[in-house]
Amino acid sequence: AQSVTQLDSQVPVFEEAPVELRCNYSSSVSVYLFWYVQYPNQGLQLLLKYLSGSTLVKGINGFEAEFNKSQTSFHLRKPSVHISDTAEYFCAVSYTNAGKSTFGDGTTLTVKP
Amino acid sequence: NAGVTQTPKFRVLKTGQSMTLLCAQDMNHEYMYWYRQDPGMGLRLIHYSVGEGTTAKGEVPDGYNVSRLKKQNFLLGLESAAPSQTSVYFCASSRSGTGTGELFFGEGSRLTVL
Repeated sequence: AQSVTQLDSQVPVFEEAPVELRCNYSSSVSVYLFWYVQYPNQGLQLLLKYLSGSTLVKGINGFEAEFNKSQTSFHLRKPSVHISDTAEYFCAVSYTNAGKSTFGDGTTLTVKP
Repeated sequence: NAGVTQTPKFRVLKTGQSMTLLCAQDMNHEYMYWYRQDPGMGLRLIHYSVGEGTTAKGEVPDGYNVSRLKKQNFLLGLESAAPSQTSVYFCASSRSGTGTGELFFGEGSRLTVL
């Protein structure tokens, strides 16, 4: 069985500071990894994904994530956050069985002025 | 440019009542999913479909039924609503069943069961 652990439920940061949202996964098979963002009262939308190849992936809005197979991690980073980045972020693992995804519990990022 | 559309967006039910949530996608995706989102628990898969006429159980299927009579529509039904089904429900679709495709989500349907 696959599982996803987001290590921080809430991350408060000041505007223009760097941020890292941590995600660890467990799986007995190769995985595909995703980060989604959910703004208030909206559905989730894709930030970035890792399928294969380079372990550093870049996404929208200046976010990037690094896949680390030995540590089974897929942490999300941004060097300088904006107020508009305030949202909930979900790490997800998907697998080949009908494309089903397992989500972490989410991390609420709050950017303060 | 609709993508995935869910109706209704809000609904209040009394215990024991029934209702159906409708999900429609205009991207010709084969795969469709119903998730529920509860505070601090992420998204949990209720049911999913790998194509028209097919349905399968996910992680938390009890108390729900689904149908996929048309490729573009995926219906989620509650036959006898319970307070434990108070949640935000999200429909999603994907073009790929290999796990490599992203999920496209609707804006959610907030259900309260009194």
